[in-house]
Amino acid sequence: GNSVTQMEGPVTLSEEAFLTINCTYTATGYPSLFWYVQYPGEGLQLLLKATKADDKGSNKGFEATYRKETTSFHLEKGSVQVSDSAVYFCALLSNTNAGKSTFGDGTTLTVKP
Amino acid sequence: NAGVTQTPKFQVLKTGQSMTLQCAQDMNHEYMSWYRQDPGMGLRLIHYSVGAGITDQGEVPNGYNVSRSTTEDFPLRLLSAAPSQTSVYFCASSPPGARESTEAFFGQGTRLTVV
Repeated sequence: GNSVTQMEGPVTLSEEAFLTINCTYTATGYPSLFWYVQYPGEGLQLLLKATKADDKGSNKGFEATYRKETTSFHLEKGSVQVSDSAVYFCALLSNTNAGKSTFGDGTTLTVKP
Repeated sequence: NAGVTQTPKFQVLKTGQSMTLQCAQDMNHEYMSWYRQDPGMGLRLIHYSVGAGITDQGEVPNGYNVSRSTTEDFPLRLLSAAPSQTSVYFCASSPPGARESTEAFFGQGTRLTVV
């Protein structure tokens, strides 16, 4: 079956530090890959996505590249801010699995000033 | 533009009580899902639906029922609440798609405590 493995947290960084959160996946078919962000007390919201190999998703300074050869979709940001503190979820949606997303366990990021 | 609306936001139940968590979306999405979020376990799929009248079980369906009589609504029923069902519940919806899949849209969540 499908699965997503995320780098374990929590992650604590100083403001302006470089961020990487690793994500690898196992899936049948040709999945689309997503990063969601969850701010305290809120639901998940889409951060970025990529629908095919070598696509790069980007938003708000975050980037992730769909690497089929390594089955990875690592999230990066060059300079984090305090406002980036949140829980980040990697997810996949397989075209063989009728709308059911598979999520990683989430990585909690805390950015200190 | 309400998106996905969940009610209530907070609920405390006694063991053995039943209740229904409401979820409604106004985006005409065909796919709807219920997830529970527990510390260190990410989101686990409870039930999902690919359209009105069609539902199926997810990863952790025991103790929960769903129905989908309309495109807009997808209520989740707890039949006899247990402390193990203490969790945060999220409803999500998405339009259908294959390689051009779009993301899931989430509600704000319902924080349920069973005592």
